[in-house]
Amino acid sequence: DAGVIQSPRHEVTEMGQEVTLRCKPISGHNSLFWYRQTMMRGLELLIYFNNNVPIDDSGMPEDRFSAKMPNASFSTLKIQPSEPRDSAVYFCASSLTGERGVFYNEQFFGPGTRLTVL
Amino acid sequence: GQSLEQPSEVTAVEGAIVQINCTYQTSGFYGLSWYQQHDGGAPTFLSYNALDGLEETGRFSSFLSRSDSYGYLLLQELQMKDSASYFCAVLNQAGTALIFGKGTTLSVSS
Repeated sequence: DAGVIQSPRHEVTEMGQEVTLRCKPISGHNSLFWYRQTMMRGLELLIYFNNNVPIDDSGMPEDRFSAKMPNASFSTLKIQPSEPRDSAVYFCASSLTGERGVFYNEQFFGPGTRLTVL
Repeated sequence: GQSLEQPSEVTAVEGAIVQINCTYQTSGFYGLSWYQQHDGGAPTFLSYNALDGLEETGRFSSFLSRSDSYGYLLLQELQMKDSASYFCAVLNQAGTALIFGKGTTLSVSS
């Protein structure tokens, strides 16, 4: 398996522009997570999907952030409009969650998207 | 909510042993995980402890004491390639997603 795939790997944009980050989870995994990593705040969970349904989006910082998972093999994280403080590395991760939400602690992370908002 | 505390930096020399501690406060506990992240890379899973005691995987071991809300990662026979950030993590209150500590940067010198 190719692992979790993210695109783009690097994104530089100007304040006010729309940014869309993409993720393809590992085939067969039914849970998908979006994280943001900065030096100041560390690795923060933004949103979590299970079987393509958003379960917990309490980490999404503002209404400017939105995430979708239209099918089991694709998810997007969109920032509109973007701001300089959104500059960070955004990771997508996937894992397998069993029946009744039994969670397996091994998450597989993609290579990340390094976002710079000028 | 969930919170984790770990040292920000640790330094050691090749061949040495280093212990990275993690204390946590949780509402509901499902176990403690450890992840490694090299500079510019993605976090990768190292170990998971659900029960008290020591789990050994090669040069790395992880320990958990649920009564003390404490765990550690033990790295033996350190190599230069072990220079990385190490994160402890616990599940959120709902048991659905991982919450990570701020990470410990390990620097191994020759």
